[in-house]
Amino acid sequence: EAGVAQSPRYKIIEKRQSVAFWCNPISGHATLYWYQQILGQGPKLLIQFQNNGVVDDSQLPKDRFSAERLKGVDSTLKIQPAKLEDSAVYLCASSLNGQGYEGYTFGSGTRLTVV
Amino acid sequence: QKEVEQDPGPLSVPEGAIVSLNCTYSNSAFQYFMWYRQYSRKGPELLMYTYSSGNKEDGRFTAQVDKSSKYISLFIRDSQPSDSATYLCAVNSGYSTLTFGKGTMLLVSP
Repeated sequence: EAGVAQSPRYKIIEKRQSVAFWCNPISGHATLYWYQQILGQGPKLLIQFQNNGVVDDSQLPKDRFSAERLKGVDSTLKIQPAKLEDSAVYLCASSLNGQGYEGYTFGSGTRLTVV
Repeated sequence: QKEVEQDPGPLSVPEGAIVSLNCTYSNSAFQYFMWYRQYSRKGPELLMYTYSSGNKEDGRFTAQVDKSSKYISLFIRDSQPSDSATYLCAVNSGYSTLTFGKGTMLLVSP
């Protein structure tokens, strides 16, 4: 079974620039998550999709972050404009149906550095 | 009060030692308790999952949940250098997404 694919692996941008991350979940997984992991902290949920609909985006800074999951498969997360505090690893995860007992499968993440 | 508290470490032990990693949580609605292992520059991977209170064993790993004290533990027996990683506890009520602790960095020296 192929894992969760993310690209790019690394990105360095200047503040106020825009950036986009891409995620392809495990085939058949209806639920997709984007997490932000700042150095030394645990992952923090940004947004959860069920198929192509948003379930939870309460912690997404909507003035600068946006995400979409067209056709209910792969997803993109965008930051525009980026701030220094956005430097983090952005992790994509998927699960079969988003049930509480399901473990999530994570990708390796995109490490973003904003300078 | 944060929903999940976890000592960030680092925790350094010699090879072969028994390791104890712990988390506390605040919301009694949490029913699902998971431990993830995260190697450097990798995403977290699910190590163990427990529902409600009790123990669960898988090889050298034992997960323990005490809902009365809102305390979850992961024990690693006969620790190996390959166990060196960050261990994240995560909780879930069953109707929400996973909430993670900060993670504890474990270093096992040969």
